[in-house]
Amino acid sequence: EAGVTQFPSHSVIEKGQTVTLRCDPISGHDNLYWYRRVMGKEIKFLLHFVKESKQDESGMPNNRFLAERTGGTYSTLKVQPAELEDSGVYFCASSQEGSRFGELFFGEGSRLTVL
Amino acid sequence: QKEVEQNSGPLSVPEGAIASLNCTYSDRVSQSFFWYRQYSGKSPELIMSIYSNGDKEDGRFTAQLNKASQYVSLLIRDSQPSDSATYLCPSSRGGATNKLIFGTGTLLAVQP
Repeated sequence: EAGVTQFPSHSVIEKGQTVTLRCDPISGHDNLYWYRRVMGKEIKFLLHFVKESKQDESGMPNNRFLAERTGGTYSTLKVQPAELEDSGVYFCASSQEGSRFGELFFGEGSRLTVL
Repeated sequence: QKEVEQNSGPLSVPEGAIASLNCTYSDRVSQSFFWYRQYSGKSPELIMSIYSNGDKEDGRFTAQLNKASQYVSLLIRDSQPSDSATYLCPSSRGGATNKLIFGTGTLLAVQP
């Protein structure tokens, strides 16, 4: 069974440009999460989808970040316009409905470098 | 004060020794506690979950939880070089989102 896949694995962009990160969760997983790790800091929650609906987006830094999950399958996270402080590793995770709290399956992350 | 505190390490232990990793939490609301292992450049991988006070053993791994002391630990017996990784100990407060709250992680290096 395929795990959580993320694309691209690494993206380097200029400040002010736009980047879109994609996450394909494990098939059948209704819960999809985005987390971010900024250099030297802890991994932090960004938002949570249940199917196509946003359950909690309290961790989104500001309105330059837009997350979507079309049809309750894959998700995208767009950063527009990107700023230097957006650099970091963006992780996607998924879990089945009803799974034990915190038993998430993570992707390998998308590393974003903003120059 | 950080919500989850971990010694960033590196924690260096010789092969075959017991590695002891610790986490403390600033709140008493967290309900569930986890240990994830992350190899460099790879995804965090769940290795243990613990929900009630006491010990939980799984192979070479033992998790210990003390909610009153807001403390969880992970013991790795007979440490192997393949155990070298960053260990994360997020907690969850439950609720509809079940979001995980992470510390910075502890880097474990097992020396052959």
